Amino acid sequence: SQQGEEDPQALSIQEGENATMNCSYKTSINNLQWYRQNSGRGLVHLILIRSNEREKHSGRLRVTLDTSKKSSSLLITASRAADTASYFCATDIPSGSRLTFGEGTQLTVNP
Amino acid sequence: GAVVSQHPSWVICKSGTSVKIECRSLDFQATTMFWYRQFPKQSLMLMATSNEGSKATYEQGVEKDKFLINHASLTLSTLTVTSAHPEDSSFYICSARVGGGHQPQHFGDGTRLSIL
Repeated sequence: SQQGEEDPQALSIQEGENATMNCSYKTSINNLQWYRQNSGRGLVHLILIRSNEREKHSGRLRVTLDTSKKSSSLLITASRAADTASYFCATDIPSGSRLTFGEGTQLTVNP
Repeated sequence: GAVVSQHPSWVICKSGTSVKIECRSLDFQATTMFWYRQFPKQSLMLMATSNEGSKATYEQGVEKDKFLINHASLTLSTLTVTSAHPEDSSFYICSARVGGGHQPQHFGDGTRLSIL
């Protein structure tokens, strides 16, 4: 079974609007991480939220985690054209040996 | 901090050639490095986990004789695609983790491999 499914698959918004991406997973986790990938590049770590945390902020990013629903959301406020990228959630299971990535959301912010 | 350098960024070669990709942690020691493969518009697929000084752990379905991984030092892991064929064309990305589990991974910029 797939760990880490995201929706929407693609999101197109205007600059200044907020963007919300969701991630669902199936098994118990130690933490959940969000990464960003610009086209043709590697991934950049954005934020890590532990299983005992419900919300975390970093600049214009806000992440929530609901372990009862096995879901997380990433909110980017006041989006900019430079935020255009693919965003992936990744779950870290208790054994800590690996991350499992979701399918990603392609965000396009139009100037 | 936590910079990972991956080289080369792009390679085109003929079928049957072996290709080596390097992954270096520049400002930290990485006991564990990971190798991923990514197809266009898809997610990352973990190929193998590389621990310094020991054999790599391959994911199910990944041929260890095809994708040779060496992690000879705390700052360098290499992936060699042996006798590459067109179906091996893909985007390969490495990552490194500082310390033990439950920490973020730091990614290289990937290698675009095209086999003609």
